[in-house]
Amino acid sequence: AQSVTQLGSHVSVSEGALVLLRCNYSSSVPPYLFWYVQYPNQGLQLLLKYTSAATLVKGINGFEAEFKKSETSFHLTKPSAHMSDAAEYFCAVSDSGGSYIPTFGRGTSLIVHP
Amino acid sequence: NAGVTQTPKFQVLKTGQSMTLQCAQDMNHNSMYWYRQDPGMGLRLIYYSASEGTTDKGEVPNGYNVSRLNKREFSLRLESAAPSQTSVYFCASKPGTVNTGELFFGEGSRLTVL
Repeated sequence: AQSVTQLGSHVSVSEGALVLLRCNYSSSVPPYLFWYVQYPNQGLQLLLKYTSAATLVKGINGFEAEFKKSETSFHLTKPSAHMSDAAEYFCAVSDSGGSYIPTFGRGTSLIVHP
Repeated sequence: NAGVTQTPKFQVLKTGQSMTLQCAQDMNHNSMYWYRQDPGMGLRLIYYSASEGTTDKGEVPNGYNVSRLNKREFSLRLESAAPSQTSVYFCASKPGTVNTGELFFGEGSRLTVL
């Protein structure tokens, strides 16, 4: 069984500040991990993914995430927030020993203040 | 380059009415999925189709049926709509089951059941 916990349903930052969105996972086998972004009234699109290569993964729009097995975490960061980063962010896990169907977290809404 | 196309984008139903949500992808993907998105609940899997000719239940299948019409199309049917089915529905596709690739999402279908 696999699960994802996203800490904080809402995160508020000022423009130019560090963005940190937290994701912890549970998986009985080595996981594959994803971050998706959803802009208002749109579907989800992939930001980045971890599939057992480098533990530090770089994605689009300046985002990156680090896989930490000891902490079962895959937190998403961006050094400097832009107004255009305001969106809903979802962490997802799919396990390598099953059907590869991803399980999603409940999402974190990122609010960026000018 | 259409990707995943969902119709309709908006629908209002009365309790007890039926309807079908249509989904088509033009990426030659084998696997297709239906999720529902509710505030604070993230995305929950309703049904999926690992390949043409197969369908399986997800986390929340009650009240829904699906049809994998061909490789391109995967429809979701509500036989007797209930207010609890008010939600945003997303169709997604992926190249295969044993695959670490990401899901490609449609823009969503917003359903209100009165």
